[in-house]
Formats: sequence, structure tokens, C-alpha cells
Amino acid sequence: DVKVTQSSRYLVKRTGEKVFLECVQDMDHENMFWYRQDPGLGLRLIYFSYDVKMKEKGDIPEGYSVSREKKERFSLILESASTNQTSMYLCASSFTGTDNEQFFGPGTRLTVL
Amino acid sequence: GEDVEQSLFLSVREGDSSVINCTYTDSSSTYLYWYKQEPGAGLQLLTYIFSNMDMKQDQRLTVLLNKKDKHLSLRIADTQTGDSAIYFCAESVDGGSQGNLIFGKGTKLSVKP
Repeated sequence: DVKVTQSSRYLVKRTGEKVFLECVQDMDHENMFWYRQDPGLGLRLIYFSYDVKMKEKGDIPEGYSVSREKKERFSLILESASTNQTSMYLCASSFTGTDNEQFFGPGTRLTVL
Repeated sequence: GEDVEQSLFLSVREGDSSVINCTYTDSSSTYLYWYKQEPGAGLQLLTYIFSNMDMKQDQRLTVLLNKKDKHLSLRIADTQTGDSAIYFCAESVDGGSQGNLIFGKGTKLSVKP
């Protein structure tokens, strides 16, 4: 059973704090993705990675960075959290070259005060 | 750029059929997907269709693809209260080479008893 786990379900941080969101998958997937989900805006891609130490900007990378030191782990970093980064963050992973099904984690609801 | 459009809300009565519609723009999409998101959870793949098919049936779910009009629909027969969720349409981009998907904003399906 494919599993994508995220380090926290709920997180509350203060403006200016550095925030780490962790995602781990156990299916040896090459590709990993970070999205944010906001009401009325759907899912927006922040960053993705198609291999260890590789990263690509998505549609809304500003204010975020990522790290992929190991194949199974993809971290999203908010260098200095701001209130407009309050959102639901979803991690996903997939194989390359098959049907591209993305498997999602349960999400982290981040509130920045 | 690529875009996926779907209506934001649909309300049906229990036992009726639900039809959720989606239009997409990337004619090179290899796969088109329907994901379901239950409250407080991540997205889960419901079904997908390869671009050279025009219909796919899986139990209560029927997917219709009109490639000429770039229109995708999901029909849920005998809709149940447990089908209440947000449904996302998605298309593969870049020919599916890196597993990137473009998601619609999601259709919130409400099923009234």
C-alpha cells in the first residue's frame, strides 16, 4: 500500500519563523511535489523534484524553498513565514513514465499568526 | 498556458446521478484524471482515462472524454451521501514526461438525503 506521510496535520507558527514541512514516501517514487490548496483557488504547485538533489519551480515558488537529500524525503521550507502563507499544504509523489498517478499525503494545515 | 476548468459546486439528491464536467486546454495530454478529496484529507485517485479512449467505466463511475472539444466528464450513478467530497479534474502536461499534472479548482459535490 503506497504511503505518503507528512510530518504534521496541523501547525501554528508566528510571522517571521522558519518553518519546515516534511514529506516521506515509501514507494521509491522519483517525482515528488509540494502544492498549496486554498478555497476557490484549487491546488497550486509550489515546487517539484524529479530526482535526488533536483528541484524545479512550480507556479508559486516565491517565499518557499525545498530540499531533497534522499529519494524518499522532500522538505518544504518557509524561510520567514508570513500570514499569507496560511494554507493547506499537500505533498504528492509519483513514478516517471507510467500513468503519472500522483499519490497524496493527508496534508498539513499551517496557520501563521 | 495549460488550464483546467470545472464548476465549483454541484448539489444532487441521494440516488440520483451526478455529472461533473471539466474542460482542459493541453491537447497533448496523455492522461486525464479524476481525484476525490474528502473533508480534512489529501486527494485520492478515483479513476483516469488514456487520451486515446473515449469512455471508461468502473462500477458506479463513468468517464467520458471528448478529445475534439477537450471535455471530460465524471458520472456517478446512484450517488450516496458518502460521495460528498471535492472532485478534481487533472491533466498530464509535458507529455507526461515528468509526472506534472495541472489540476482544476475542484467541484464540491453535496449529496442531500
